[in-house]
Amino acid sequence: TQLLEQSPQFLSIQEGENLTVYCNSSSVFSSLQWYRQEPGEGPVLLVTVVTGGEVKKLKRLTFQFGDARKDSSLHITAAQPGDTGLYLCAGHLYNDYKLSFGAGTTVTVRA
Amino acid sequence: NAGVTQTPKFQVLKTGQSMTLQCAQDMNHEYMSWYRQDPGMGLRLIHYSVGAGITDQGEVPNGYNVSRSTTEDFPLRLLSAAPSQTSVYFCASSYSAEVGEGYTFGSGTRLTVV
Repeated sequence: TQLLEQSPQFLSIQEGENLTVYCNSSSVFSSLQWYRQEPGEGPVLLVTVVTGGEVKKLKRLTFQFGDARKDSSLHITAAQPGDTGLYLCAGHLYNDYKLSFGAGTTVTVRA
Repeated sequence: NAGVTQTPKFQVLKTGQSMTLQCAQDMNHEYMSWYRQDPGMGLRLIHYSVGAGITDQGEVPNGYNVSRSTTEDFPLRLLSAAPSQTSVYFCASSYSAEVGEGYTFGSGTRLTVV
C-alpha cells in the first residue's frame, strides 16, 4: 500500500484544456513536493509546499496543500503539449528523513 | 555544474552476478539516496545517507548494499543479481536532510537481470 495515492493514473486531454491531479494520504505530512519526469530522465522538482492551506503558482501550474496536510493537488490551466509527462507527488512525514513518492500520474496533452 | 551523475546508463546482468551502480554529485549535498522505479509503483527508497559515513535502510533494502566514504559518492552494490531487481535506478541528492529540501535526481540506470 502506497503512503501517497495519486489519481488519476492516466490523463489524456486536448491542448488548451485544464486538468487537475490529486495526491491523497491518510497520514499527515510536514511538506509535500511535486516533480515532473520525462521519458529517460530523472524527476525534476516543480514545487515544495510546507504550510497547510498553502497555494503556490508556477506560470500555468497551481499547487495546493490541504488544510489538514494530508493531500495536495496540481492544476494546469490551458495545457500545452510541453506539459506532457509523469507527475509525481512526494512527501516527508514528521521527523522522517525519508521522502515517499506516489505512483504518479501520466499526463498526455494532444496538439 | 554536472549535478548528479549516474553510471552506467544501461546494464544487463546474468542472475547471480554482482555489480556496482555509481552515483556522484558535485553540489556538496549532505543527503543522498537511491530509489528504484517500477511501472505503476512510483519510486521506492532503497538506501539513504545523511552524510559521509552514515547510511540507513529505506523501504526495499534487501539485496543491496551502500557505503558513503565521501560526500560526493554514494555507490549502490547488487550482491547477487535476481530478475526481481530488473528496474530503473535513480540516485538523488539534497543540500541537507531537512524536511522540505528538494531533491536533484540523476538520469538513471536501466538494469535488466536475465
